[in-house]
Amino acid sequence: DAKTTQPPSMDCAEGRAANLPCNHSTISGNEYVYWYRQIHSQGPQYIIHGLKNNETNEMASLIITEDRKSSTLILPHATLRDTAVYYCIVRANAGGTSYGKLTFGQGTILTVHP
Amino acid sequence: GAVVSQHPSWVICKSGTSVKIECRSLDFQATTMFWYRQFPKQSLMLMATSNEGSKATYEQGVEKDKFLINHASLTLSTLTVTSAHPEDSSFYICSAKSGVGGKQYFGPGTRLTVT
Repeated sequence: DAKTTQPPSMDCAEGRAANLPCNHSTISGNEYVYWYRQIHSQGPQYIIHGLKNNETNEMASLIITEDRKSSTLILPHATLRDTAVYYCIVRANAGGTSYGKLTFGQGTILTVHP
Repeated sequence: GAVVSQHPSWVICKSGTSVKIECRSLDFQATTMFWYRQFPKQSLMLMATSNEGSKATYEQGVEKDKFLINHASLTLSTLTVTSAHPEDSSFYICSAKSGVGGKQYFGPGTRLTVT
């Protein structure tokens, strides 16, 4: 699986958009970009994923650059409950024997403050 | 989204004993389940991957005889930590997915403390 690079920490004011960057310059053509977050002492929560098109759901938007070497997770109106560690993961195609393992890096600690 | 549960949510056991952790997919059939371990202030580390009815595939450095994984049905996988030692104290998290390319859904985790 390709590796990702994320800033170790970021701050955001409540009500503002939080933009979390991720570099994945060695991503392969069949690898998806996944975002998960982990609130303290809980299991990770799926946020969003995409291949090459921008994606949006009720939680966030995912912007993937045209060359797919980086992406940005956008939380449009951050709240205090969005304070968590955010993980950007690229996952190999699940066909064959890989079973689509998720390899977690260190992630970005997002702190939303009042 | 799909729900994955774990039981117990926390457990304290004495050194040398064994402890079993259950992972259940409540509203979908999980063809593949994963077990992770997370030490304080560290990221999740994948321990093993299990497919229903098959032997688990362990990551390098994970002792298969110490961490026994059983995935006997499409909704249940168990992790048994045998002869637990204080260094096995950790946060154990399972995840489950259905089919090829399916999203993984994580359980809430089990905090194991070995005294």
